[in-house]
Amino acid sequence: DIQMTQSPASLSASLGETVTIECRASEDIYSNLAWYQQKPGNSPQLLIYDANSLADGVPSRFSGSGSGTQYSLKINSLQSEDVASYFCQQYNNYWTFGGGTKLELK
Amino acid sequence: VQLVESGGGLVQPGKSLKLSCSASGFTFSSYGMHWIRQAPGKGLDWVAYISSSSGTVYADAVKGRFTISRDNAKNTLYLQLNSLKSEDTAIYYCARKGRGYYFDYWGQGVMVTVSS
Repeated sequence: DIQMTQSPASLSASLGETVTIECRASEDIYSNLAWYQQKPGNSPQLLIYDANSLADGVPSRFSGSGSGTQYSLKINSLQSEDVASYFCQQYNNYWTFGGGTKLELK
Repeated sequence: VQLVESGGGLVQPGKSLKLSCSASGFTFSSYGMHWIRQAPGKGLDWVAYISSSSGTVYADAVKGRFTISRDNAKNTLYLQLNSLKSEDTAIYYCARKGRGYYFDYWGQGVMVTVSS
């Protein structure tokens, strides 16, 4: 099974700040990686797929990058509505999620 | 696209439950569908997948106990949960397979609590 290690587990940032969340796979997943945002009390929503492609309707301040086993999600100019948990997910070999990052406002 | 789960509730260990996911806003028969679960306050775990041609795949934790199925005439996805254990307690989400193998739309989820 492919293991996904996400860091940090929690993060506190100020409005307007740039935030980066990391995700490491236990083996090469060939950019078969997605990022999801889950706001409190809601279901997850797709943000990024294929490591760096923005899903429909997602603001351009979100971006994804990486290859091989190392991937990251960057949020530019943090907004209050970005307070949420973020999960990475590999779909190269079945489907596994990272443990999540809880993003709060400082 | 809208996905609406139903059928959750409180069930005793060892008993069964059947979840439904009603789909609308897209051609249901053309899409693969997933079930994913999230234990209270925890992360996400993929449970099962059914392709548009009804091929199925299961996570090891549920293999032999859960069955995913679909009724294209009713635009509905199902998950039959048998021999339930306390560790199956979670919110269960249905989700649509995107153009790739990611999940592009999710339902709002349904809670399953396994307790005596």
